[in-house]
Amino acid sequence: EAQVTQNPRYLITVTGKKLTVTCSQNMNHEYMSWYRQDPGLGLRQIYYSMNVEVTDKGDVPEGYKVSRKEKRNFPLILESPSPNQTSLYFCASLRADTQYFGPGTRLTVL
Amino acid sequence: GENVEQHPSTLSVQEGDSAVIKCTYSDSASNYFPWYKQELGKGPQLIIDIRSNVGEKKDQRIAVTLNKTAKHFSLHITETQPEDSAVYFCAASKINQKVTFGIGTKLQVIP
Repeated sequence: EAQVTQNPRYLITVTGKKLTVTCSQNMNHEYMSWYRQDPGLGLRQIYYSMNVEVTDKGDVPEGYKVSRKEKRNFPLILESPSPNQTSLYFCASLRADTQYFGPGTRLTVL
Repeated sequence: GENVEQHPSTLSVQEGDSAVIKCTYSDSASNYFPWYKQELGKGPQLIIDIRSNVGEKKDQRIAVTLNKTAKHFSLHITETQPEDSAVYFCAASKINQKVTFGIGTKLQVIP
C-alpha cells in the first residue's frame, strides 16, 4: 500500500531535550516536505527536499533541522525544543502535484 | 510570495444542503489549485484540483470553480452528507513548486 508513515504519532517532551520525528514514504517520490498545523494558521511549510541531499527552508524553519540521506526517509529534528513548537506535524511526499500526507505527529513541549 | 485567504473558517449546513468554501490568492502566476479534506486524526487528503487552463471541474458531488481574473476559486459540495464533515483546505502553487495553503474551513453537516 502506497503510504507516508510518521513516528511517533504522539510525543510529550520537555524544553531542550533533542528529539527526532521520522518520516518514510514507499512511493519513490523525490519531493518531500514537513508542515506544522496550528489553529487559525493552517498548514505552514517548515522544510522541503527536492531530492536526496537537497533540502531547503520553507516558511517557518527556525528551530528545526532536516536531513535527506536516502529517498524514502526525511526526518525532522528539533535540537532544543521550546513550548512554541507544540503543534501537529505532517510529513508529505509529492508526485505530479499531488501531496500525500502522513497521519501526523502531535508534539507537546512542556 | 503567494498568500491564500480562505473563508469561512467554520460552516454548518443541514444534511442535503449545499456547502461553498471560497479562496482567493495573490500571485497571478499560480496555476494549480488543489483542495484537501482532513478528517479527525488524519492527514489531509486531496479531493479535487483544478489547473489554470480550466474554469470548472466536477467529480460527483464536489466541484471546483476558478476565476483567474479575480484570482479566486471555490469548492462546492452538493447534497451534503454527515461523512462530509471535516476540515477543508484550499491551496495554490505553480506546478511542481511550493504549495501555499489557506487556513482551513471546518465543515459540519448536521443530520
